[in-house]
Amino acid sequence: NAGVTQTPKFQVLKTGQSMTLQCAQDMNHEYMSWYRQDPGMGLRLIHYSVGAGITDQGEVPNGYNVSRSTTEDFPLRLLSAAPSQTSVYFCASSGLRGDTQYFGPGTRLTVL
Amino acid sequence: AQKITQTQPGMFVQEKEAVTLDCTYDTSDPSYGLFWYKQPSSGEMIFLIYQGSYDQQNATEGRYSLNFQKARKSANLVISASQLGDSAMYFCAMRDYNNDMRFGAGTRLTVKP
Repeated sequence: NAGVTQTPKFQVLKTGQSMTLQCAQDMNHEYMSWYRQDPGMGLRLIHYSVGAGITDQGEVPNGYNVSRSTTEDFPLRLLSAAPSQTSVYFCASSGLRGDTQYFGPGTRLTVL
Repeated sequence: AQKITQTQPGMFVQEKEAVTLDCTYDTSDPSYGLFWYKQPSSGEMIFLIYQGSYDQQNATEGRYSLNFQKARKSANLVISASQLGDSAMYFCAMRDYNNDMRFGAGTRLTVKP
């Protein structure tokens, strides 16, 4: 059981570039989500999904796209990177009414 | 939208003593879940404890307990017998019926030997 995996661990982008952060889970969880954590702050929800084909916006969705074609994968796309998107990104998964949420190790993204 | 408030940016506790980390929340939903996470300096998010809004008893997990006062909308984390390894950031979070999850700003706990 790998749990929640994220790739890459580190990434540096130039302003305007696009990229996809990968997230996968092997626990057959319906619920998956993406967060960003800025220095000295808590996590903020970007997008989430309650099942394949279903996604919804969280607190800070602008500049990000998601899709959920399978139960296992939930990629996060940055369409045109901006310095304000420099952050640590966490992916998480759980059952729909789960009493816990498992987090991936995070991706540290820097946009120059 | 729901809101989570952690009013203690930093806390100090002596090793082997108990400490309470405060968390208040604001929601109009009758059904929600409350979580506490630990984030050590290495950066990973570690789940500690969960309390459902309909749970009658306070949740406990080993040295962690959640003091749930529904009428006051508070969900304080109590760590008993603090250890040096408990030094970390602690985040309170709430997930509403629509699965929207919000985190507080966190409390940095330092355990003194």
